[in-house]
Amino acid sequence: AQRVTQPEKLLSVFKGAPVELKCNYSYSGSPELFWYVQYSRQRLQLLLRHISRESIKGFTADLNKGETSFHLKKPFAQEEDSAMYYCALRGATNKLIFGTGTLLAVQP
Amino acid sequence: EAQVTQNPRYLITVTGKKLTVTCSQNMNHEYMSWYRQDPGLGLRQIYYSMNVEVTDKGDVPEGYKVSRKEKRNFPLILESPSPNQTSLYFCASSQDPGGYTEAFFGQGTRLTVV
Repeated sequence: AQRVTQPEKLLSVFKGAPVELKCNYSYSGSPELFWYVQYSRQRLQLLLRHISRESIKGFTADLNKGETSFHLKKPFAQEEDSAMYYCALRGATNKLIFGTGTLLAVQP
Repeated sequence: EAQVTQNPRYLITVTGKKLTVTCSQNMNHEYMSWYRQDPGLGLRQIYYSMNVEVTDKGDVPEGYKVSRKEKRNFPLILESPSPNQTSLYFCASSQDPGGYTEAFFGQGTRLTVV
């Protein structure tokens, strides 16, 4: 079965603290993984994809095939990082499968 | 500006009254899809379309219809809305279905069925 699991519904951190948003996946093939972000009152938008191995807005995510994880990390959280974050997997039928999302709240 | 446009942004309707939510993209994308977003359930795909006149069911298609007569438009139709279809709906488009290229999302339509 193809599945994306985000175990935390809410993650609250203080400004300047490190952030790790967890994402685990279940997929028998070679996975394509993404992080999407939805800021308040804005549309969902792509944050980063594992294939690019890029850092966007200070966020990085490394695909760990052994642990079937694709956790999103940032060393120092900022208040403007507060948003809903979705991990997504490109499945066998080529469609995007989303996790249930994690709301990141960065406190001042 | 590249964008996906949904209308209306907000809609309150009564049970059983047919409604259509429009979606239009100006990027000449082949792939379009509809999602609903519910608390604790994340984004679930309703229907998708690989190209004109090619549509298929997603994970939660019951109670919905779609059509793809033109490449740019992908309306979502609720023939007889029910309260359990109260949700936030997103339309998305991309050049490819799986995400080699970015999926662009509309701003969302918040539907309430009473």
